[in-house]
Amino acid sequence: EPEVTQTPSHQVTQMGQEVILRCVPISNHLYFYWYRQILGQKVEFLVSFYNNEISEKSEIFDDQFSVERPDGSNFTLKIRSTKLEDSAMYFCASSVGTVTTNEKLFFGSGTQLSVL
Amino acid sequence: GNSVTQMEGPVTLSEEAFLTINCTYTATGYPSLFWYVQYPGEGLQLLLKATKADDKGSNKGFEATYRKETTSFHLEKGSVQVSDSAVYFCALSDQNYGGSQGNLIFGKGTKLSVKP
Repeated sequence: EPEVTQTPSHQVTQMGQEVILRCVPISNHLYFYWYRQILGQKVEFLVSFYNNEISEKSEIFDDQFSVERPDGSNFTLKIRSTKLEDSAMYFCASSVGTVTTNEKLFFGSGTQLSVL
Repeated sequence: GNSVTQMEGPVTLSEEAFLTINCTYTATGYPSLFWYVQYPGEGLQLLLKATKADDKGSNKGFEATYRKETTSFHLEKGSVQVSDSAVYFCALSDQNYGGSQGNLIFGKGTKLSVKP
């Protein structure tokens, strides 16, 4: 079965540094997402992306965050100036259709971000 | 807002034991309900779903019934195997971000360990 690929699997950074988390969604998928899970807490929606623009974003997704699909295959999440509370597992996902139409999301295995 | 609450883990069972993982939800409207599973080192995968009240989702011996009267979607399996060891996430589709794409709202996840 095709997979969503995320790199790196672990990322350690210093507070205030910029990080870019990378994802390669499944090739024929049109909708892309980032979620995160802080240790011991719920998996939280960050942002969804369709047709080269953000469709929806949560309150968590403030000006420090940005997403990009730079080359038609990669889908990146950038955190401009990391904070300690950004430490979490970040999951990328993609889907053919929308959650509204009950399409299933395919998730990557996640990037564990540790901000020191 | 919409939310999902699932039982705290970890849950440890012996092989062939009966499994129940409780999940309750709060939602406006008529969300779809999902169980996702994350095996070690992998991404979240859709296990089963139900799109309306009284629907039963099933897959790989797991079942869950959409109970509107009790706002529940408990996951059950009659006889677990070691290979079922994973983290299980209950989720609902959330269409309250003002767009048509919709997003998933997850619970915290319940870790299941099955011993031989």
